[in-house]
Order: sequence, then structure tokens, then C-alpha cells
Amino acid sequence: DTGVSQDPRHKITKRGQNVTFRCDPISEHNRLYWYRQTLGQGPEFLTYFQNEAQLEKSRLLSDRFSAERPKGSFSTLEIQRTEQGDSAMYLCASSLAWGPDEQFFGPGTRLTVL
Amino acid sequence: AQTVTQSQPEMSVQEAETVTLSCTYDTSESDYYLFWYKQPPSRQMILVIRQEAYKQQNATENRFSVNFQKAAKSFSLKISDSQLGDAAMYFCAYRSARSEKLVFGKGTKLTVNP
Repeated sequence: DTGVSQDPRHKITKRGQNVTFRCDPISEHNRLYWYRQTLGQGPEFLTYFQNEAQLEKSRLLSDRFSAERPKGSFSTLEIQRTEQGDSAMYLCASSLAWGPDEQFFGPGTRLTVL
Repeated sequence: AQTVTQSQPEMSVQEAETVTLSCTYDTSESDYYLFWYKQPPSRQMILVIRQEAYKQQNATENRFSVNFQKAAKSFSLKISDSQLGDAAMYFCAYRSARSEKLVFGKGTKLTVNP
């Protein structure tokens, strides 16, 4: 068990470009989450998958954001036409079951939009 | 909407001493879960302790314990015998039993002085 992994760890892009991040959850975990964390703030929920189904989305997830988990394993988060306000740490987490079960977080992808 | 408030942006403690981090939350629901997560510098977030709202007994994990006051909507974290490795950002988080979304506070930066 290697934990939740995210790729890339850092991404610098120019405004208007598209970016895609990948998250690999812990292998047996069927739930996967994306959060965004800006400087000085706690993480904010973006979206959640159970297997391949996207079951919950935040209003923060504008039309420029899309997330997929096509085979119920890894997930991708794409941001189209990036804006400077998209600069943040994008965190992925996974968990095994419902209720108080722990969400295990990955190291995050830090996005800087110039 | 649920909110989580951490009123102490920064706290410091001497090694081997005890420190308490404060957290209050706002919800109209009766069934929910509360968490404290630790985020060391440049490292991923890990769960410190969790509490189910229906349980009256306060959760304890080794040197970490909580004071859960449901009526007051308060959920403080006590760290006993503080160690240098406890230095980190600490986030209080809430999750409704009806949702997978974690709602985080802004965090408290804990410094441990040798």
C-alpha cells in the first residue's frame, strides 16, 4: 500500500492554458475526492466519486473544471482556460467506506497560473 | 450551510507541555462526524482523531484527546506531552452523515518550542 499519489506535484502554466492532474487512490478504496486549498485556508471540497460515478459536486466546480474516474480506479481533474484565481493546491483523497471512515489524502498538486 | 471556525490562527507550546486547539461549528443536523487533521510542512494531511456526534464519550488517541460539547457545537483538541513532531497546521473538519463532503476550518498553526 503506497498511499494516495498525485501527478504532477507542481505545475506552472500560463493563463488560458488547459491543465490535467491525475490521482491514484489507495488500491481497494472505492471513494475518491478532490479538494482545493488556497494559501492560508483549509481545503474546500470540489467533487466526489463512488467507483466511476460522480455523486457530488461543489458549486466551486465551474464549467471550466471537469473530473473523471473512468474505470473506478484513478481520476483526472482538468481545468480549461486557466485563470490566475485557479492557483492553488489541488488535493485528492480516497476512502474505503461510508460514515466516519478516514479520508486518506495525497501530497497534492500545486498549480501556479502566471 | 455548515461552517467550521478555528479562532486561533497560531498557537505555540513548550515541548512536553499541553496545548488545546479550539474549534466551533455550525450545523442544524444531529447526525455528523468531526475530525482533526494534521498537515506538516510540505507533507500530506493525516487524520489525528475523529468523533461521531452520537457518541457522548470523548475520543482519545494516545496523546491526543478531544472535548466534544454537542450543545455548544464545540470540538477542541488537546495535545498532551507535546513533541517537536507535533508542529504542523491543524485543521478541524465536519462531515454530515448525509454527505461525503468534509468542511474544513482555516486551520491553526502549531509551533512546538524546544
